[in-house]
Amino acid sequence: QSVLTQPPSASGTPGQRVTISCSGSSSNIGNNLVNWYQQVPGTAPKLLIFSNRQRPPGVPDRFSGSKSDTSASLAISGLQSEDEAHYYCSVWDDSLNGHVFGGGTKLTVL
Amino acid sequence: EVQLVQSGPVVKKPGESLRIACKASGYNFANHWIAWVRQLPGKGLEWMGIIYPGDSYTRYIPSFQGQVTISVDKSITTAYLQWSSLTASDTAKYYCAVGGSDKSNYYALAIGPWGQGTLVTVSS
Repeated sequence: QSVLTQPPSASGTPGQRVTISCSGSSSNIGNNLVNWYQQVPGTAPKLLIFSNRQRPPGVPDRFSGSKSDTSASLAISGLQSEDEAHYYCSVWDDSLNGHVFGGGTKLTVL
Repeated sequence: EVQLVQSGPVVKKPGESLRIACKASGYNFANHWIAWVRQLPGKGLEWMGIIYPGDSYTRYIPSFQGQVTISVDKSITTAYLQWSSLTASDTAKYYCAVGGSDKSNYYALAIGPWGQGTLVTVSS
């Protein structure tokens, strides 16, 4: 059971905007920078968002991150079939003295 | 181009030892964190630990402390994950990934690119 809570699933139709939440506490999200990773089935994870809202080179601007207090969100606009994947939030936890991942959200494009 | 290439799948028996490798190229190996991540079959991602190759400074996630050893060989730009005595619960896919270059900023570490993963199967 992770200290970061994500919904196990999310879905949307092509072109739609979806958001995925990541809920934590003052010892993790509330005090540290959040990163997001995408894992397409059968492949290695990929860094999608770092430092709450920054995109690495090559990540489309359809993907955006935000953070407020002890929660973070990943938004995907203009949903495409290739976005079907698992999404994980990650952050340092001061109490655990280590990095943690959220449980992951499986995004289905209907 | 930054690349991490991991060693191939392995099948081991309980109690055996194992070391898997992560060969890095395309960047200054010594100055960037390397992370190891576990993914149990059909499950999510778990941080295991991180190492700064320049001086081999290592931090383990508490649940993995004493269970595995993370090391590097700078001369061949390779990171390792090692077990002295495997159990069936170690059956998983293991990923390495490269992080930032600020040694003091490990708590803000974002990791990527990732290796392709190494599948470790432990079965009698």
